[in-house]
Amino acid sequence: EVQLLESGGGLVQPGGSLRLTCAASGFTFRNYGMIWVRQAPGKGLEWVSAVGGGGDTTYYADSVRGRFTISRDNSRSTLSLQMSSLRAEDTAVYYCAKLVDSGICYWGQGTLVTVSS
Amino acid sequence: QPVLTQSSSPSASLGSSVKLTCTLSSGHSGNIIAWHQQQAGKAPRYLMKVGGSGYYNKGSGVPDRFSGSSSGADRYLTISNLQSEDEADYYCETWDSNTRVFGGGTKLTVL
Repeated sequence: EVQLLESGGGLVQPGGSLRLTCAASGFTFRNYGMIWVRQAPGKGLEWVSAVGGGGDTTYYADSVRGRFTISRDNSRSTLSLQMSSLRAEDTAVYYCAKLVDSGICYWGQGTLVTVSS
Repeated sequence: QPVLTQSSSPSASLGSSVKLTCTLSSGHSGNIIAWHQQQAGKAPRYLMKVGGSGYYNKGSGVPDRFSGSSSGADRYLTISNLQSEDEADYYCETWDSNTRVFGGGTKLTVL
């Protein structure tokens, strides 16, 4: 059974940093692209960043490029999102998800990030 | 990059059927899209992919009541025999070489 478990969310001040982690199990992690998607309170889904199975290909939404860094450790089946220079508008539930043929096919349960002073 | 426009939020009665629409922007009418369901307070759940030829590929455990189809730039999600647990927000998603987008969502109310 595929499982994706996010952690690392919490309260951080504007301008601060936070690292999210997604622990994956139930599939051969290195064979699949992975993605982060966020959802601000009461809003829709917004793509944040994606990484290929090997970790060498990364993509970012314009809203986070230069501030967020996606990475993966295939030996540990973990996906990470390093977030810096955080803003109030980054407040959201962050989901990791598994990609199959470029589309999302499985979602984690999410972790809440609150950026506030 | 593609833009996805979703239909307005419908209300439908228990046991009836409803068809949700997701429209691809000009130049992207051949894109595959995915439908996701998000019940209140829960994480999204993948339902299916729908291609331009009308084929669809459902996720594991998705009931037979859910089906997909397409016409031109429109991609559809049809839910038959509506149940109370189908009340949710429904999002479509598509992607190209280095980006992906979501539609604004459609809130389905089951009466």
